[in-house]
Amino acid sequence: DQQVKQNSPSLSVQEGRISILNCDYTNSMFDYFLWYKKYPAEGPTFLISISSIKDKNEDGRFTVFLNKSAKHLSLHIVPSQPGDSAVYFCAASDSGGSNYKLTFGKGTLLTVNP
Amino acid sequence: NAGVMQNPRHLVRRRGQEARLRCSPMKGHSHVYWYRQLPEEGLKFMVYLQKENIIDESGMPKERFSAEFPKEGPSILRIQQVVRGDSAAYFCASSPLNSGKDEQFFGPGTRLTVL
Repeated sequence: DQQVKQNSPSLSVQEGRISILNCDYTNSMFDYFLWYKKYPAEGPTFLISISSIKDKNEDGRFTVFLNKSAKHLSLHIVPSQPGDSAVYFCAASDSGGSNYKLTFGKGTLLTVNP
Repeated sequence: NAGVMQNPRHLVRRRGQEARLRCSPMKGHSHVYWYRQLPEEGLKFMVYLQKENIIDESGMPKERFSAEFPKEGPSILRIQQVVRGDSAAYFCASSPLNSGKDEQFFGPGTRLTVL
């Protein structure tokens, strides 16, 4: 039972263009969403988050959009840089329940080509 | 300010042996979480501990797995009588409080290989 789904295992974009990573969730109790970035042989690093009371959160080149009715969120990176090449994980939690328990998707491998 | 530290980074065990994975949280953090990542999968929650207390172990297999976070020293994830299916990356994360709105900070992971 996969409650957080990242349906694209990989994505390849050109440097300077926009990267869009998608994430869908099925559990309507999730109300807090996070994106983590992971390089090989390292642990995940927090990137950006969004609460369900918002539909957009922006931090520099990174913007997360949340569509609650569609149970869908996306991470936009613009402009993409080669150093952004990594696996990106979408995660969700339920602040009304076990808010510490992050549920992760399987990840999307982003490759930014120079 | 050192981040979350895990050791060993790589651990090889034969079937039936015991594996001990250690995690030192970030300075000032008293909450520790263990996650497991099987090949081609996302991270899955195993257990949440505070100092000397297991708060939630609902993600941990009932047999062979145990976790502790003593008053002094690192958190330990212990796997007894390992089997090949235990081969995975085990990540520890820490946070300064009950992490509802604050992110969890992850360590580099321990990659366990069971021969």
